[in-house]
Amino acid sequence: GAVVSQHPSWVICKSGTSVKIECRSLDFQATTMFWYRQFPKQSLMLMATSNEGSKATYEQGVEKDKFLINHASLTLSTLTVTSAHPEDSSFYICSARGRRGVEETQYFGPGTRLLVL
Amino acid sequence: GNSVTQMEGPVTLSEEAFLTINCTYTATGYPSLFWYVQYPGEGLQLLLKATKADDKGSNKGFEATYRKETTSFHLEKGSVQVSDSAVYFCALSSGGYQKVTFGIGTKLQVIP
Repeated sequence: GAVVSQHPSWVICKSGTSVKIECRSLDFQATTMFWYRQFPKQSLMLMATSNEGSKATYEQGVEKDKFLINHASLTLSTLTVTSAHPEDSSFYICSARGRRGVEETQYFGPGTRLLVL
Repeated sequence: GNSVTQMEGPVTLSEEAFLTINCTYTATGYPSLFWYVQYPGEGLQLLLKATKADDKGSNKGFEATYRKETTSFHLEKGSVQVSDSAVYFCALSSGGYQKVTFGIGTKLQVIP
């Protein structure tokens, strides 16, 4: 079964509104969480890396004031797309890294599809 | 920086055909290498991985060997099934946080 969940799975919003996406590790503690963005027919692009209780590290070209990341606990990270615009429409995927069993592994969530009208 | 290059699809094969999807990488240090699969409408799933040179990862009939000398990690399967139709991503991770860098993804379509 799934070990990383995302909510919502899809969202449609009006331009100018903010959207929050949650990412949860279900049966392990995620020391590090990652947020990716996937454009149609393209690969996943890493947006930011976050550790619990500390500020996220953003990749070059990603606006940290537009994509707010909060890693409040070892099982929850949120991505807030502030003042969303149509160009922010994309598939957002989170990933959680932690020890589940013997070794440390990275698991991916099912993704959240965002459509900004 | 790190990068992963894989063949662009789509790749269309008949059932029971042999599959090869090429993947080469550029990285500093000694990365771990992965193949992820994304079935239609689903999230990424780890298919197999290799963490050091000459390791062979295998799962569900798929396999790939970590070739440091050619910086490659080609995915192979001897006999594909319709249920293997998906997008396959080659990836590597390295560094303290083990950030994952993905290739562009190769869409595989298997026809009966």
